[in-house]
This record gives sequence, structure tokens and C-alpha cells, in this order.
Amino acid sequence: DAGVTQSPTHLIKTRGQQVTLRCSPKSGHDTVSWYQQALGQGPQFIFQYYEEEERQRGNFPDRFSGHQFPNYSSELNVNALLLGDSALYLCASSLNGYYEQYFGPGTRLTVT
Amino acid sequence: AQSVTQPDIHITVSEGASLELRCNYSYGATPYLFWYVQSPGQGLQLLLKYFSGDTLVQGIKGFEAEFKRSQSSFNLRKPSVHWSDAAEYFCAVGEDAGGTSYGKLTFGQGTILTVHP
Repeated sequence: DAGVTQSPTHLIKTRGQQVTLRCSPKSGHDTVSWYQQALGQGPQFIFQYYEEEERQRGNFPDRFSGHQFPNYSSELNVNALLLGDSALYLCASSLNGYYEQYFGPGTRLTVT
Repeated sequence: AQSVTQPDIHITVSEGASLELRCNYSYGATPYLFWYVQSPGQGLQLLLKYFSGDTLVQGIKGFEAEFKRSQSSFNLRKPSVHWSDAAEYFCAVGEDAGGTSYGKLTFGQGTILTVHP
């Protein structure tokens, strides 16, 4: 049974560029949440997608956007990258937003 | 808004010793509480969870945690630590937005566990 997968593993971008991160949820799950984990910090909730719509959003600017596809996979897009966007981006999946969330290995984004 | 505090940034124990990691939360209603573990360069693995019922919950890898409402705490314990337990541990509280379980998690800053042989 495949768990949550994310791609790419690592990414290096320049300030001002745009980036897209991808996530495939655990088999049988329909909800995807995205978190940002800065170095030395706990993960911070970005947003959650369910039924292809953003259902809940954390305190992140509109530069952060997402999408969920009919197969429940999801993308996180970040525009106009800032140095402060450098972090580990974690995707978590669950069933209908049920609290038991399963996390992927993350994508390490470095902005130079 | 809910918050989670993990007072200990770094804890060092000897292999075979007992372990307790502290977690305090702030939340208006009955909290949904979790402990996750993260190895270097890895994602988060769920160790255990508390939703309701028995306040002492058992998890994987021999871990347990006790929910104490009067102290707003959910401390993680293990009777005998193994070298493979060295990792970073995160406590989290789940938000129940308007009665609907949307599942937003708020995490503490984490506690790094070092295990000496």
C-alpha cells in the first residue's frame, strides 16, 4: 500500500521565480493538507483541499495557491518566491479531513 | 486560537533510560492531540493520538502519552529508550472548526532527542 508521495525531493529556485510541488495521497484518502516547515520549527498549516476545493487556509499570503485533481492528488504553487520561502514542504493526506493525517517525506525548497 | 508549547528544545538520555517529553496546549474545547516523530530529512510519522476516552493512550514503538485536562498537558513517555529513538518529536493539536473536522493541525516547535549509548 503506497503511502503519501511527494515530488520533487529537492528544488532550488531564485527569488521571484515560481514553483510547483506535487503530492499523491495515500490510497483511499481524499483530503490533502499542505504544511511549511522552516528550519528548526514545527510545521505550519498552509491549506487543505477536499473535493477539489480549498476548504481551509492558514495564515499564508495569496502567493501560495493550490489545486486538487479528480484523482485526489494535489499541487502547491508558490509565486514570486522570497528567501523566506525556503523550507521543507510537507503534504499530508486523510479521509474526509479526519484528524489522522499521514505525511509524505516532503520537498526541500531552497530559494537563493 | 489554539497553540502548542514544547518546553524542551533538546533532551539527552542514555540508552535504556526512561523518557518523558512535555507538551502543553491551549484550546477552548476538547482537543484532538497527537505526537509525531521526524527523523532527519524525513516526513512525520504518527506515534499516537488522543480523541476521547481513556486518557492514557498507547502508540507505536513502545510509546505512550497521558492526557491531563487539568494541566492542559499531553506528555509522551517511554520506559526504556533505544538508540533508534533519536529523532525530533512534535506534539500537535487538531482544530475542530465549527463542529466540522477539517483537520488543521497546530504543531509545537519540537523536541530533539539525543540518545547516548
